[in-house]
Amino acid sequence: QQQVKQSPQSLIVQKGGISIINCAYENTAFDYFPWYQQFPGKGPALLIAIRPDVSEKKEGRFTISFNKSAKQFSLHIMDSQPGDSATYFCAASDEEGAQKLVFGQGTRLTINP
Amino acid sequence: DAGVIQSPRHEVTEMGQEVTLRCKPISGHNSLFWYRQTMMRGLELLIYFNNNVPIDDSGMPEDRFSAKMPNASFSTLKIQPSEPRDSAVYFCASSRGHGGPGNEQFFGPGTRLTVL
Repeated sequence: QQQVKQSPQSLIVQKGGISIINCAYENTAFDYFPWYQQFPGKGPALLIAIRPDVSEKKEGRFTISFNKSAKQFSLHIMDSQPGDSATYFCAASDEEGAQKLVFGQGTRLTINP
Repeated sequence: DAGVIQSPRHEVTEMGQEVTLRCKPISGHNSLFWYRQTMMRGLELLIYFNNNVPIDDSGMPEDRFSAKMPNASFSTLKIQPSEPRDSAVYFCASSRGHGGPGNEQFFGPGTRLTVL
């Protein structure tokens, strides 16, 4: 029940296209859903995060869509650029275990120029 | 700020040897996390500390692993004896407060451990 399932494992998108990564969870107590971006040889870095009281959050070209009833959330990258090529992780935590992030397996995104 | 500092960046050792990984969190952060990243298991939380006290070590794989945080600016993760299956990238992260919304976890660059 603590798992966060992420798909796809890898994704190739043409420059200018839309990249979409999906995550699903089981634990209804989860109430914080961050996305992390990791470049090769670096640690993950927070990209954008959402709470379940909103269905969408947008920051620049990055948007999180959240569907509480389906227990799913997704990351959309608009106008994808080669510099967006990285591994993306979704994660979740609940208020009680706020420090304890449960991560998805990661998606390796490649943007072709 | 220098960010989270980890050392060494790479470690190659032989099975049975003791390995010590080091972490300096961001100044002013009072929560510290140790993660392990592998292709098979992804990113796993091993242990986290709040105000230098271990709060949850349920992710520590077995007794061969131990972690300490003697003060607010230093933590170690020790593996003794090391085994080939411990080969992974180990990340340290820190945050203000109790993590979660508004208390982002900042990750270090990681230590790539190879046990032969």
